[in-house]
Amino acid sequence: DAMVIQNPRYQVTQFGKPVTLSCSQTLNHNVMYWYQQKSSQAPKLLFHYYDKDFNNEADTPDNFQSRRPNTSFCFLDIRSPGLGDTAMYLCATSRDILKGANEKLFFGSGTQLSVL
Amino acid sequence: GQNIDQPTEMTATEGAIVQINCTYQTSGFNGLFWYQQHAGEAPTFLSYNVLDGLEEKGRFSSFLSRSKGYSYLLLKELQMKDSASYLCAVEDNYGQNFVFGPGTRLSVLP
Repeated sequence: DAMVIQNPRYQVTQFGKPVTLSCSQTLNHNVMYWYQQKSSQAPKLLFHYYDKDFNNEADTPDNFQSRRPNTSFCFLDIRSPGLGDTAMYLCATSRDILKGANEKLFFGSGTQLSVL
Repeated sequence: GQNIDQPTEMTATEGAIVQINCTYQTSGFNGLFWYQQHAGEAPTFLSYNVLDGLEEKGRFSSFLSRSKGYSYLLLKELQMKDSASYLCAVEDNYGQNFVFGPGTRLSVLP
């Protein structure tokens, strides 16, 4: 029944070692988002895809990249993780970019990334 | 700029009522959302307000005043399982982003 699925649930990587987090959805939603949430902080939007159009937030570090090969899948690539990248990474979807009444984000369970 | 404020922590007793406030200043407004987030888990949707007034949904109600840039989430008949963080989020004018507040960590005590 899971609609937005993130793998793995927990990921440990070494400083500077590239890591990829994955997200898939069964909702056929047009928009997919990646959020970073550090401990006791609000989720912070990194980027989103509207269909195949990629939209990067101005303050997202170049170290973070994303790929969306098809409607269902979206990946977050961290090229050279630093200690400060330890966080929960949340994938979310929404049906459309113009959300209108009662559109909302559907979140995956998140991937807790630890950079050692 | 975008700014959303919530109290950092609140404590309440099982069976009681608690009100979690949220004030916002954003570049636009297309609606305000409340999400519940248990420790180590993803946020889950609770409520949505776009017009002024109170929306009631079971034990949870959410209120919005657009002129004041203010919302609250009211939780009645508190249960232990309500211990979680509650995130206030505003959808901006461009419909491309939810601006999240820092969250209020609610502890429900027996």
